[in-house]
Amino acid sequence: SYVVTQPPSVSVAPGQTATITCGGDTIGSRSVHWYHQKPGQAPVVVVYDDSHRPSGIPERFSGSNSENTATLTISRVEAGDEGAFYCQMWDPSTNHQVFGGGTTLTVL
Amino acid sequence: EVQLVESGGGLVQPGGSLRLSCAGTGFVFSGHSINWVRQAPGKGLEWVSYISGSGDLIFYADSVKGRFTISRDNAKSSVSLQMNSLNAADMAMYYCVRDHYDNSPGGWFDPWGQGTLVTVSS
Repeated sequence: SYVVTQPPSVSVAPGQTATITCGGDTIGSRSVHWYHQKPGQAPVVVVYDDSHRPSGIPERFSGSNSENTATLTISRVEAGDEGAFYCQMWDPSTNHQVFGGGTTLTVL
Repeated sequence: EVQLVESGGGLVQPGGSLRLSCAGTGFVFSGHSINWVRQAPGKGLEWVSYISGSGDLIFYADSVKGRFTISRDNAKSSVSLQMNSLNAADMAMYYCVRDHYDNSPGGWFDPWGQGTLVTVSS
């Protein structure tokens, strides 16, 4: 099965930039989507198809995907950005949706 | 407003069965695939099952294959997940999520329902 790896946690001071990675074999050939889940709430998509931002998501959220790493970048981090972030993609070799293990963002 | 509402969760004994339902409103239901995603307490997201908009394409996670059955009724804008032989590992919040695409997987999930809690305990 296709396995992707995220760092368990990332900490950043307010106003700084947070970088969350999702590593997998040739992940750059797949479309990667990112979700933000605040405590007690359902996840919300913040980036889709590697680098596209849904309406209503601040421009501070951006994504990229190349070779073996997909990256979610959050600029000018705010306290409200805290929570868990998950990457997700489809694996056609197994016909399974795949989620990364999640990264907890802490704003110091 | 596009919305998904789950129902059917609750307490079930090990080995028991439960049927979850998901009702969609605010969009052309047959025009979107639907997935079930679960989250055990304090854990990450785990994909459970996929059904295409037409209902012709169905996939399951290895952990539930042979025990869970997904189905849909587009006339009623609803999707169901029949869960049999439940065990402690199945205890989780179950989310119904709309896939962006109609009859092929690979799209992003938006929106997510509020979830329905399944508790497996004697």
